Amino acid sequence: DTGVSQDPRHKITKRGQNVTFRCDPISEHNRLYWYRQTLGQGPEFLTYFQNEAQLEKSRLLSDRFSAERPKGSFSTLEIQRTEQGDSAMYLCASSLEGGGAETQYFGPGTRLLVL
Amino acid sequence: GDSVTQMEGPVTLSEEAFLTINCTYTATGYPSLFWYVQYPGEGLQLLLKATKADDKGSNKGFEATYRKETTSFHLEKGSVQVSDSAVYFCASGNNAGNMLTFGGGTRLMVKP
Repeated sequence: DTGVSQDPRHKITKRGQNVTFRCDPISEHNRLYWYRQTLGQGPEFLTYFQNEAQLEKSRLLSDRFSAERPKGSFSTLEIQRTEQGDSAMYLCASSLEGGGAETQYFGPGTRLLVL
Repeated sequence: GDSVTQMEGPVTLSEEAFLTINCTYTATGYPSLFWYVQYPGEGLQLLLKATKADDKGSNKGFEATYRKETTSFHLEKGSVQVSDSAVYFCASGNNAGNMLTFGGGTRLMVKP
């Protein structure tokens, strides 16, 4: 069990550029989640996949954000035309479906700074 | 929608002091409740959880009891150590298992 990994760990970009983050979940986990955490706040839910299907999206996920999980394994989160307000830590988590609120295991996060 | 409120920090304690971090929730139905911890420079780790009323979660000397009547899940530890210094997050999870709602976090600083 190598845990949830995320890449890159840090990203600095200029306003208006596109960025893409990758998340590799724990290998047998079929659920994958994206959260955003701003400084001094708790994580906020963005979206959730069960296998390759994106089943829920938060209203926080504007149309500049898109997430995919094409083969039900790794996932990518893309932000188009970045804005300074997108600066945050983007967290990925995974879990194994267990018929309830099973434990989500978090990755180390990708810290995004938009200049 | 669901929400979680926890006491603001920082909480500063001396080593071996008793710790309480308050957490209350609002939710439809009967959520599962979690405490996550974030040590400096590390990712979120599950500390403990409880899935139904009156359940007690415990780990590493920390405890929290799911109180449905007061919609609370307060975190306690009888004797804190310097190594417990971290940010603690209370969270509720819907029983569909598809999202967590977090509180704002409470920073704990333990001095020797």
